[in-house]
Amino acid sequence: GAVVSQHPSRVICKSGTSVKIECRSLDFQATTMFWYRQFPKKSLMLMATSNEGSKATYEQGVEKDKFLINHASLTLSTLTVTSAHPEDSSFYICSALPTSGRLNEQFFGPGTRLTVL
Amino acid sequence: QKEVEQDPGPLSVPEGAIVSLNCTYSNSAFQYFMWYRQYSRKGPELLMYTYSSGNKEDGRFTAQVDKSSKYISLFIRDSQPSDSATYLCAMSAGSNYQLIWGAGTKLIIKP
Repeated sequence: GAVVSQHPSRVICKSGTSVKIECRSLDFQATTMFWYRQFPKKSLMLMATSNEGSKATYEQGVEKDKFLINHASLTLSTLTVTSAHPEDSSFYICSALPTSGRLNEQFFGPGTRLTVL
Repeated sequence: QKEVEQDPGPLSVPEGAIVSLNCTYSNSAFQYFMWYRQYSRKGPELLMYTYSSGNKEDGRFTAQVDKSSKYISLFIRDSQPSDSATYLCAMSAGSNYQLIWGAGTKLIIKP
């Protein structure tokens, strides 16, 4: 149980294009999902907290107009990187917090590696 | 000073050894403590979840929390090459569900 999927697992795009990453909780409902960014050999950096049916809460320094987050259902959140540039290249990971479960227990997706040329 | 301190390593030990991984923290409000394992280019996988102080054992893994010292540990017995990964500690006060992460320790188990 508690499986989270991400799609795509890897994407390469040209500078200036937009990329959408999907995060799905496959066998549980998640009112809250999180989006992280991870640089090589570094820990996870929280970008935003996504709550179903409401606007996402972004961490300081994260541009909400560049990283659009939509959490339209209890099993799906999407992150769209708009007008991507090479500096946006990174490993993006989502996590989901089960609606019913242990407090603060997040389950993670496998990650999406974005490369912007 | 970071809220959570974790030695990034790498920590290299021979197969079969007992591994000790540690994190210290400064926020006395933390009550939920977790250890995640992350293989290269994969998402983190929850290994241990502990609330408040005490020990918790699951197979070859033991998690310890000492709130008086603000110190948590993860022990791995009979370490295997497949245990080679980065181990991240994470903790929370429980008020807003966000986790505060350690830097992660890279562990290498040599056959």
